[in-house]
Amino acid sequence: EAGVAQSPRYKIIEKRQSVAFWCNPISGHATLYWYQQILGQGPKLLIQFQNNGVVDDSQLPKDRFSAERLKGVDSTLKIQPAKLEDSAVYLCASRARWNSPLHFGNGTRLTVT
Amino acid sequence: GENVEQHPSTLSVQEGDSAVIKCTYSDSASNYFPWYKQELGKRPQLIIDIRSNVGEKKDQRIAVTLNKTAKHFSLHITETQPEDSAVYFCAVGNSGGSNYKLTFGKGTLLTVNP
Repeated sequence: EAGVAQSPRYKIIEKRQSVAFWCNPISGHATLYWYQQILGQGPKLLIQFQNNGVVDDSQLPKDRFSAERLKGVDSTLKIQPAKLEDSAVYLCASRARWNSPLHFGNGTRLTVT
Repeated sequence: GENVEQHPSTLSVQEGDSAVIKCTYSDSASNYFPWYKQELGKRPQLIIDIRSNVGEKKDQRIAVTLNKTAKHFSLHITETQPEDSAVYFCAVGNSGGSNYKLTFGKGTLLTVNP
């Protein structure tokens, strides 16, 4: 089966600019996650979708981050405006059912200068 | 929320030796404990997982043990090989219901020296 697809692979922007990331989960996976992985740390959950509804966004900095999953399939994560501390790899993951494992995409490496 | 501590942060072993990585967690309701391997610049990949109704699980050279009473679990890699070099993350989750999420440890950089 095809894996979780993410684009772009790399992005370099200046602080205060905007950026958007795209994720297409594995076909049929109802649950989608966005994680932020800062260099040298473990992935940190930003937001979780179940189909097209938000289940958990408690750790999403809502003043600058937004995410949507229209039609319950692919998803976009946006940062506006970006800060230096947003430099990280943004990982998308999906899972099929409540007892199935998470599958990660290759991530988008964001550098904010 | 859940708090996951992982030790050590770096581990260097000789090829053929064993490696052990330990994690502790705080939420006694957690019941799912996966381990992920992440090579440089690549996605985290699940290598083994264990659920709370099992104390130990083994897959070839990799094993995971769980002590629910003490709230800690460990990854054991035997007969290490250079290709085992990577960052290993433990994670903790509750596998029931729609609000299923994983909380990750900070990772262990394992280096296997030939």
